[in-house]
Amino acid sequence: DAKTTQPNSMESNEEEPVHLPCNHSTISGTDYIHWYRQLPSQGPEYVIHGLTSNVNNRMASLAIAEDRKSSTLILHRATLRDAAVYYCILSPGIQGAQKLVFGQGTRLTINP
Amino acid sequence: EPEVTQTPSHQVTQMGQEVILRCVPISNHLYFYWYRQILGQKVEFLVSFYNNEISEKSEIFDDQFSVERPDGSNFTLKIRSTKLEDSAMYFCASSRGQGIPNQPQHFGDGTRLSIL
Repeated sequence: DAKTTQPNSMESNEEEPVHLPCNHSTISGTDYIHWYRQLPSQGPEYVIHGLTSNVNNRMASLAIAEDRKSSTLILHRATLRDAAVYYCILSPGIQGAQKLVFGQGTRLTINP
Repeated sequence: EPEVTQTPSHQVTQMGQEVILRCVPISNHLYFYWYRQILGQKVEFLVSFYNNEISEKSEIFDDQFSVERPDGSNFTLKIRSTKLEDSAMYFCASSRGQGIPNQPQHFGDGTRLSIL
């Protein structure tokens, strides 16, 4: 399974942007980059995913490096509710049931 | 917005007893999954299920574990003879499928299983 590297923890202030980095230097050409988050006492929650181009949705933006060896999840204006563990996960771009391989993720703390 | 629901939220069981964890996936989803998270550790994949068959299972998913979709809505995980090390949060997830790769997985809030 392709491996990702994330900082163990990050801290930011409420209403400021947050940039969560992820390195995936061994990514293959067909791997998608997924981000999930896990709020305290809840199951993982899908945030965003992409292949090559930058992606935006109502929750966040995903910036993917041109060589695809790294990506950044961007929360444009953090709220206290965004405090969670964020996971960057690679998943093969094939049809069928695809297991998610979770690492330790980045624990994001938001200061009021 | 449709949700994956899991019951019970907390299950306490004596070691050696059988336990069944229940999940109702999102209704138009075709792929189903179980994961577990031991306290303080990573979320770990257990099994994926499609078209009434196991698609993939991890080495954790040994002969003590089984999954079933007994009707059109429920998806269950059974542990036949529980061990202390089975104590964990168990998460069910589902994804749409339908020929499109990498559909997001939607997770329930989990069942906390405590083995005494």
